[in-house]
Amino acid sequence: GAVVSQHPSRVICKSGTSVKIECRSLDFQATTMFWYRQFPKQSLMLMATSNEGSKATYEQGVEKDKFLINHASLTLSTLTVTSAHPEDSSFYICSAAELDSYEQYFGPGTRLTVT
Amino acid sequence: GQNIDQPTEMTATEGAIVQINCTYQTSGFNGLFWYQQHAGEAPTFLSYNVLDGLEEKGRFSSFLSRSKGYSYLLLKELQMKDSASYLCAGGGSQGNLIFGKGTKLSVKP
Repeated sequence: GAVVSQHPSRVICKSGTSVKIECRSLDFQATTMFWYRQFPKQSLMLMATSNEGSKATYEQGVEKDKFLINHASLTLSTLTVTSAHPEDSSFYICSAAELDSYEQYFGPGTRLTVT
Repeated sequence: GQNIDQPTEMTATEGAIVQINCTYQTSGFNGLFWYQQHAGEAPTFLSYNVLDGLEEKGRFSSFLSRSKGYSYLLLKELQMKDSASYLCAGGGSQGNLIFGKGTKLSVKP
């Protein structure tokens, strides 16, 4: 149990375009979903926390107008990178947690390359 | 704020025991997590400590001392497949995780 999927696993896009990444909890209800970004040889950096039906809470330094997060249901959250630039190229990972649970279940990640 | 420190790299021999240390400073502590991450993959959960002491799970054990802000992950009977990055993470008051930079473990024959 506790499987989280992400789609797509890899995406290449041109500079200036937008990319949407989906994160789904397949067999549980995720009241909270987290979005992380990981640059090569770096650790995971939390970008934002989203609770179902609420606006996402962004970490300091993360532009909310550039990284749009929607958590419209208990099984789906989306991250849209708007007007992507090469410096946005990174590994984006989501995680999901059930209500009152300490454990986060991670998706397999999405490798974004902006050319 | 939170600060998580762990060594950058470690090397150990197949069959041996290795201990990966982690120190943390947090403003709101909600448990200490260890994750394993292979290159290009998402982290996988290894352990969670919220009370002081040792938690054992097969070849892996994790220890926590809240008064010292210290944890370690102990890996026994090392196998080649254990070569990976090991991430120490502090649980925040909002249910979020604050990750350290990870310790890259190389297991050699």
